Order: sequence, then C-alpha cells, then structure tokens
Amino acid sequence: DTGVSQNPRHKITKRGQNVTFRCDPISEHNRLYWYRQTLGQGPEFLTYFQNEAQLEKSRLLSDRFSAERPKGSFSTLEIQRTEQGDSAMYLCASSLAGAREKLLFGSGTQLSVL
Amino acid sequence: DQQVKQNSPSLSVQEGRISILNCDYTNSMFDYFLWYKKYPAEGPTFLISISSIKDKNEDGRFTVFLNKSAKHLSLHIVPSQPGDSAVYFCAASARGNEKLTFGTGTRLTIIP
Repeated sequence: DTGVSQNPRHKITKRGQNVTFRCDPISEHNRLYWYRQTLGQGPEFLTYFQNEAQLEKSRLLSDRFSAERPKGSFSTLEIQRTEQGDSAMYLCASSLAGAREKLLFGSGTQLSVL
Repeated sequence: DQQVKQNSPSLSVQEGRISILNCDYTNSMFDYFLWYKKYPAEGPTFLISISSIKDKNEDGRFTVFLNKSAKHLSLHIVPSQPGDSAVYFCAASARGNEKLTFGTGTRLTIIP
C-alpha cells in the first residue's frame, strides 16, 4: 500500500465549472476525511466518512459541495458552479476508527478557479 | 472562532540549537494533541502526539509538552537540523469527535 492517493494533483478551472476530486485511502482504513487548506491557514475540516456513511459535515461545506464514498472504498468530492473563493488545496486523510494518531494525509489536490 | 492558535507565523533557529514551537487551545473538550510537519505541495506528515493524561511525550529529537491548566502545548526539536525546515501545524481532537482542528502553522527555518 503506497499511502493515501489523491487525483488530480492540480486542477485549473474557470468560474462556474464543476470539478471532481478523487481520494483512494489506505485499504484497511475505515475512516476517510476531507480537509481544505487556504494560504496562510491550517487545514479546515470539511466532512468525514466511516465506511460508506457520511457522519459529519462542516458548515464550510455549502450545498455546492458533495462528497461520496460508495462501498466504503475511494471517495469523491465534487464542487459545482465553482467560485474563486473555492481556490485551495483539498486534502484527504484516512485512518482506522479510534486510531487518532494514525491519521495519514494524501498530497492534496490544488484547485485554482480563474 | 480559532480554537487552536499558533501565534508565531515564523521562527528561525541556528542549526544544532533547540527549536521551540508553541500552541494554545481554547476548547476544554480537546483531549488529544498532535503535531504535523508540512512541506510545500505535500500533505501534512504526522510527527508526534500526546494524550491529555500525559504532560510529556518524547520521540527521538522531538518532545511535546502539554500544560492542561494553561491550555498550552509546545514542540521542542533538539538538535535542529536543516531538514527540519518546514511548516509545523498543531492539531487537536476531542474524544467521540475525532476530526482534527488545526492551528494556522509556524514556518520553521533552520539556518546552517
């Protein structure tokens, strides 16, 4: 297992377009998290899944954002009608439930909305 | 509402000396604290953690100290090496709600 994988690494899009990111967690990890990081800030929690169930969503996650984790494996994060304020690095992390010290992050997807 | 604060955006330390990075938190429900290291264009990498039942945890050159009464923790790196140059994030979580709340980070530069 090579760790948490995120694709694409970079995405440039025009305002108003839809984008989708993919995260492949470590195979035995049942928890999957999405975070967003903007310049000069720490990562901010967006949402997390335990297996295929989405257990919590942040207030940051507007109705333009949707995340799925079908079959409890990979996850996708979709942003509809992108805005310039959506420009950020989107980070995925995975862990086993209860193993707080074992949260492992992917390298992120850098989104630029023009 | 910044529940985890790192008040020093940057820190420069001479190679071989001690680096001390500080972090304060406001949420008394936090019971687990972590430090992550981040290089540009990469995701954060776990460095060291501490549970609220302890006041110190050591791993090689890295030691984390927790002062619960002051709601303060610090990361000590000794001796500092050039490869330690990175952004360091403090993070916290509460039992039963294991999402991490991060600070804004401190950019550490080790001067050769």
